[in-house]
Amino acid sequence: DSGVTQTPKHLITATGQRVTLRCSPRSGDLSVYWYQQSLDQGLQFLIQYYNGEERAKGNILERFSAQQFPDLHSELNLSSLELGDSALYFCASSAGALESYEQYFGPGTRLTVT
Amino acid sequence: GDSVTQMEGPVTLSEEAFLTINCTYTATGYPSLFWYVQYPGEGLQLLLKATKADDKGSNKGFEATYRKETTSFHLEKGSVQVSDSAVYFCALSLPRDDKIIFGKGTRLHILP
Repeated sequence: DSGVTQTPKHLITATGQRVTLRCSPRSGDLSVYWYQQSLDQGLQFLIQYYNGEERAKGNILERFSAQQFPDLHSELNLSSLELGDSALYFCASSAGALESYEQYFGPGTRLTVT
Repeated sequence: GDSVTQMEGPVTLSEEAFLTINCTYTATGYPSLFWYVQYPGEGLQLLLKATKADDKGSNKGFEATYRKETTSFHLEKGSVQVSDSAVYFCALSLPRDDKIIFGKGTRLHILP
């Protein structure tokens, strides 16, 4: 158990809909990262937050957005969903802002868009 | 741009065989290098890391040496077990970019 929790575990929704994925980092960790894992694209970094502020952006679509709240949990919002958004979404946390800190991954949320 | 290339899988070995999973990288500057492992149904876990040239990372019988001259970080294990079956990801990070770049992953199957 990494100490990172993600909810829900599974999500099935229709095209055009909007969903919110939630992540609680390990106790004391200030950084949260979101990743998308799909069969064809592999593991893609989406976005990082550090202590409530956006720190780094990767291959995140404009239809996607995220935020980190004062209690340090984070939410990833996916809107106007398309079939191609079906993937595993992982959250990870680390102690600090720099990537040299070890990242701890949650179990993931499996999103299926039908 | 910065990237990680690792051997495509799946790799299938018998128990107690020697394992090598190749990983090479392209980066400007001096990256830190990592191997992560993803067991079925779980998130990624850091397996080992090396932060400078000639460093050797090791954990659970796995080893990898940071080779700057060949820009490689190959993962090795002398005697694999069925429980090592998983997907292995090579990755690099550069502090200036504040992100980790992952390879596509190599699926490993160990047969009893």
